[in-house]
Parts: sequence; structure tokens; C-alpha cells
Amino acid sequence: DARVTQTPRDKVTEMGQEVTMRCQPILGHNTVFWYRQTMKQGLELLAYFRNRAPLDDSGMPKDRFSAEMPDATLATLKIQPSEPRDSAVYFCASGLLTSGKYEQYFGPGTRLTVT
Amino acid sequence: SQKIEQNSEALNIQEGKTATLTCNYTNYSPAYLQWYRQDPGRGPVFLLLIRENEKEKRKERLKVTFDTTLKQSLFHITASQPADSATYLCALPGYSSASKIIFGSGTRLSIRP
Repeated sequence: DARVTQTPRDKVTEMGQEVTMRCQPILGHNTVFWYRQTMKQGLELLAYFRNRAPLDDSGMPKDRFSAEMPDATLATLKIQPSEPRDSAVYFCASGLLTSGKYEQYFGPGTRLTVT
Repeated sequence: SQKIEQNSEALNIQEGKTATLTCNYTNYSPAYLQWYRQDPGRGPVFLLLIRENEKEKRKERLKVTFDTTLKQSLFHITASQPADSATYLCALPGYSSASKIIFGSGTRLSIRP
């Protein structure tokens, strides 16, 4: 049963430290998304890629966040330097977004706590 | 800018009854609308997609309607069970791109035995 995997599942770090979150999308999916979820803001789209090319990162604070897809099996989201307001659950999702198919498959999330 | 509203933060109903959740949107006409389920500590799970030219779609005990005039989707769970308790999210494609999905804030559904 194919699924999206994310590491780490939990991360606690101090303010100012670099955080890297990793995602392995479902093999064959052409689109990868990064979301952030908080109680206050809900699920927010940070960035997404199509065929490994970044299509939109307008939801991301550019000065500290960066997202990349070094290859088809790995997507990364980095925060440097991290701040307490970055504390949230970060989800990666993938999908085969061709005409007529728009469903996304989410990973289990990375719970980030910045103290 | 586009806006999605799920007008109940929480909904409590008795087992066996039909649960009805609402998703309203403004400012544009999406080509489709999706519903997802999210359990605590997990990522959302896709349930159903309905297109703008479809009035209704069913999957087992789930039914979704899409009224493009009212700019509203209704999500029904018939013969509800405690296992249906979860948060339900509606999602729409972004105004600028069909691939850019925007999620509502969700409705937390609790089914009591």
C-alpha cells in the first residue's frame, strides 16, 4: 500500500536552529505539496512542485523557509533560522495531478516545536 | 481573494442520524470541490471530489452536493457511526491554478453512541 512518508515525526529545537524536514512522495506522483497546520490558521499551503520544478512558493516566508526536490523520491523543507511562531505540524502531500485527478495523499506530518 | 467557510466548528449528533456539514465559498467559480477526513495526529485523507457540472455524488454512506449558484457544498454521512467522528475539510482549487488546493478550516464531527 503506497504512502507518503515524512521524517522526523517530531522535532523539538531551540530558536535560531536550522530545521530540515523530509518527505518521500508516492512513486509515480508528479506533484508534491508542503502544508503547515496550526489551530489558529488551519491548513496552509506553503509550496508545491510539479515534476520536481517549483510552481508556487508564495505561501512561504521567503527569508527563512526554502523547499527543494533534489530528486523524484525526496522533497525537503528547511527553516533557517527557526522561530517559536514556526511551531506547527508540517504535512507533505503528493498526487498525480493530471486532468481529472486532483486528490492528494498526505503524509503523517512532522510536529515541530521551537522553544 | 477567494474565501472558504465551513460554518460549524463542531457538530455533535446521535449515532444513526444523518450528519450534514456545509462548505461555502466566495469570489469565484471552482471547477471542482473536494472533501477530506482528518483524524487526530494524522494527515487528511481524500474522500470525494465533485465537479462543477455534477449536482451530487455518492460513495457508500457519503453524499456530496455542489450548488454553484449558492456557492455551497453539502457533505452528508447517513447512518452515522462513532467511527465517523473526525474533522472534515473541504478543499477548492486556487483561483490561479487548478493544482493549488486551498482548504477550509474544517468541521469537527462527533457521533455519540
